[in-house]
Amino acid sequence: GNSVTQMEGPVTLSEEAFLTINCTYTATGYPSLFWYVQYPGEGLQLLLKATKADDKGSNKGFEATYRKETTSFHLEKGSVQVSDSAVYFCALYNFNKFYFGSGTKLNVKP
Amino acid sequence: EAQVTQNPRYLITVTGKKLTVTCSQNMNHEYMSWYRQDPGLGLRQIYYSMNVEVTDKGDVPEGYKVSRKEKRNFPLILESPSPNQTSLYFCASSSLSPTGNYGYTFGSGTRLTVV
Repeated sequence: GNSVTQMEGPVTLSEEAFLTINCTYTATGYPSLFWYVQYPGEGLQLLLKATKADDKGSNKGFEATYRKETTSFHLEKGSVQVSDSAVYFCALYNFNKFYFGSGTKLNVKP
Repeated sequence: EAQVTQNPRYLITVTGKKLTVTCSQNMNHEYMSWYRQDPGLGLRQIYYSMNVEVTDKGDVPEGYKVSRKEKRNFPLILESPSPNQTSLYFCASSSLSPTGNYGYTFGSGTRLTVV
């Protein structure tokens, strides 16, 4: 079947720290992979995506590489800001359906 | 502005009283979907639609109905709401590529309370 597993949060970092949020997936075939971000009181927003193995998605300083050999799509950012505090969701799209991870809350302290 | 519009944002209703949550998108997207978000459970898909008159069940369809008579609209219908349907609901839409999906645009959410 298809599923997404994310590291549990919350993750608490100081401003300018390096961020990694782990995401691994199980899927048949060739899924597309996504990261979404949800700020308090809002809907999810697409952060970045990758559609095939070895693709790197990037946006707003965030990056993630589609690793088929390790079935992973870890989210990274070199220097986080307080404004990055949000919940981050990893997702895959396969056979006409989206599958979301449970979300990882990130708190960035000044 | 490209967007997905859900209404209402907040709704309190009583058990058994039929309700409809509307969803409309202005991006000519083929794919539309409804999710519920509950603490500790993340996002769970209720129903999705690949195009007009094409709908299919997601992971938690029980107690819900949808229709897709026009490309832009995808209403969620609760015929007889129950307290376990108290949740935060999101509508989302996306366009489809030959190899997959370009990614969702989400609405702002509807917080439903059934008493």
